[in-house]
Amino acid sequence: DTGVSQNPRHKITKRGQNVTFRCDPISEHNRLYWYRQTLGQGPEFLTYFQNEAQLEKSRLLSDRFSAERPKGSFSTLEIQRTEQGDSAMYLCASSLVSGLANEKLFFGSGTQLSVL
Amino acid sequence: GESVGLHLPTLSVQEGDNSIINCAYSNSASDYFIWYKQESGKGPQFIIDIRSNMDKRQGQRVTVLLNKTVKHLSLQIAATQPGDSAVYFCAEPTFSGYSTLTFGKGTMLLVSP
Repeated sequence: DTGVSQNPRHKITKRGQNVTFRCDPISEHNRLYWYRQTLGQGPEFLTYFQNEAQLEKSRLLSDRFSAERPKGSFSTLEIQRTEQGDSAMYLCASSLVSGLANEKLFFGSGTQLSVL
Repeated sequence: GESVGLHLPTLSVQEGDNSIINCAYSNSASDYFIWYKQESGKGPQFIIDIRSNMDKRQGQRVTVLLNKTVKHLSLQIAATQPGDSAVYFCAEPTFSGYSTLTFGKGTMLLVSP
């Protein structure tokens, strides 16, 4: 499978615990995005990387959230001291940006987080 | 603020019918729009896109229409199949640099055999 891969698919945790999700983008894609999606809503942008550089962060990304893409390939998203309001689907997407062409985002299947 | 939204939360059709999913946008400066399909348990999947210098674009069984005058776009699916059942989102770049996408709320399409 050469698509975007996310692990784990599901995560159940207790309030106050830390969780970490992993995303493996499509190889050779230089951009990687994290989105969050709650039931009945469209995905909301959290942050994105171009190669290893984190270029933009949403106001939705509180201090408890941190994302990394150390080698410009896979990325991790960590949530510290989880709260019930963090329960959502966390989606990763990647794209190949070249020139002026509109980029197309390819999404993974997401990690469903439930905070009890 | 700038937003992308949908008129109908749920659309139920019979197999073989044509489906039309609508989307309104508020930013008159938006010049690029994308439709995504999201099946249950999966991430959004790119369907078709359109630039603002076009009024219509066709793909395989899908057509996107853009009406810039009323800031409205629609996704038409011909001969709808049960496999088309999903949530459909319209999206637009949040900023002129196209670095992020703003998604609408979504429309659930239910196709009955």
